[in-house]
Amino acid sequence: DAGVTQSPTHLIKTRGQQVTLRCSPKSGHDTVSWYQQALGQGPQFIFQYYEEEERQRGNFPDRFSGHQFPNYSSELNVNALLLGDSALYLCASSLGGPPEAFFGQGTRLTVV
Amino acid sequence: GENVEQHPSTLSVQEGDSAVIKCTYSDSASNYFPWYKQELGKRPQLIIDIRSNVGEKKDQRIAVTLNKTAKHFSLHITETQPEDSAVYFCAATNMDSNYQLIWGAGTKLIIKP
Repeated sequence: DAGVTQSPTHLIKTRGQQVTLRCSPKSGHDTVSWYQQALGQGPQFIFQYYEEEERQRGNFPDRFSGHQFPNYSSELNVNALLLGDSALYLCASSLGGPPEAFFGQGTRLTVV
Repeated sequence: GENVEQHPSTLSVQEGDSAVIKCTYSDSASNYFPWYKQELGKRPQLIIDIRSNVGEKKDQRIAVTLNKTAKHFSLHITETQPEDSAVYFCAATNMDSNYQLIWGAGTKLIIKP
């Protein structure tokens, strides 16, 4: 079991560009949550996907959007990148919702 | 909405001593409280969790206590070892009505040899 996998591991983008991050959940899990973790801070909940729908959303602007595919994998899209979007983006998977027991290794996004 | 405060932000203890990290939460409806350990550059790992119907839970050198009346919960690590050095996060949520974990700001635990 590969656990939760994310790609890419690192990414550098220019301000104003768009980015897509990917997450494959742990085998048997149907729920994917995305978090943004700025340096030195705790993870902030972006949204959660279940049954291919956004089930709950945190306090993030519409520039952040996502998708879940029938195989439960998920994408996070960020449009019109800002310098402040630089962070570690974490994906967590679970069966039906919390507890978030399994995280991916994260994607380190740097916006220049 | 829920708010979780975590203290201290940095904790330095001698190897072999105990460490205690405390969190308070604001929403009395919260019923699930996990603790995560995050080593530098790595993913958060769930180390222990507690639900509101239990006051204490232990797993070897790690224990968590919950005081629902005071709305606070604590992580206790005994006989600390160098590999315990990491950032520890607490979190809270109401699993019956919410899918969002609210996280504390983290505690950097330093184990001095």
